[in-house]
Amino acid sequence: EAGVAQSPRYKIIEKRQSVAFWCNPISGHATLYWYQQILGQGPKLLIQFQNNGVVDDSQLPKDRFSAERLKGVDSTLKIQPAKLEDSAVYLCASHRMNTGELFFGEGSRLTVL
Amino acid sequence: AQSVTQLDSHVSVSEGTPVLLRCNYSSSYSPSLFWYVQHPNKGLQLLLKYTSAATLVKGINGFEAEFKKSETSFHLTKPSAHMSDAAEYFCVVIYMEYGNKLVFGAGTILRVKS
Repeated sequence: EAGVAQSPRYKIIEKRQSVAFWCNPISGHATLYWYQQILGQGPKLLIQFQNNGVVDDSQLPKDRFSAERLKGVDSTLKIQPAKLEDSAVYLCASHRMNTGELFFGEGSRLTVL
Repeated sequence: AQSVTQLDSHVSVSEGTPVLLRCNYSSSYSPSLFWYVQHPNKGLQLLLKYTSAATLVKGINGFEAEFKKSETSFHLTKPSAHMSDAAEYFCVVIYMEYGNKLVFGAGTILRVKS
């Protein structure tokens, strides 16, 4: 079974530039999560999708972050414009409801200079 | 509110001695509980999971955890620590009845002394 795919794995940009991350969850997983993990901290939820609908985006900085999950499959997370404090690893996870299993991608590491 | 509490931010043990990392969760009808390990600059690796089957769950690398509904706990144990166990450990809970809300504990850093 393929895992949760994320790309790019690494990205370096300058502040005020934009960046986009992509996540392809495991086939059939209805729930998809994006997390931000700043160095030395635990992951923080940015947004949760159920199919292509948003369940929770209360901690998403909507002035600069956006996310979508077209057709309820893969998802993109965009940051525009980036700030220094956005330097972090962005983790995508998907959830299989009938077994309760949870799978994480390898993450996308963003460095903002 | 749904929460996950890891009672120790840091745990230090000697190599060969038992490990206990504690996790408590908010009362829930049907939680799914997980322990993940994260080594420095690495991704999250699943150690074990509880999804309403046996209450004593065995995972990889000799770790196990016991789901205790009456205590709302899911503590992680290992009989004998190895140097390679030094890492950060996260307790994660999915609250199914709250729209599959996924909550991370704050993490416990395990140090293993030689």
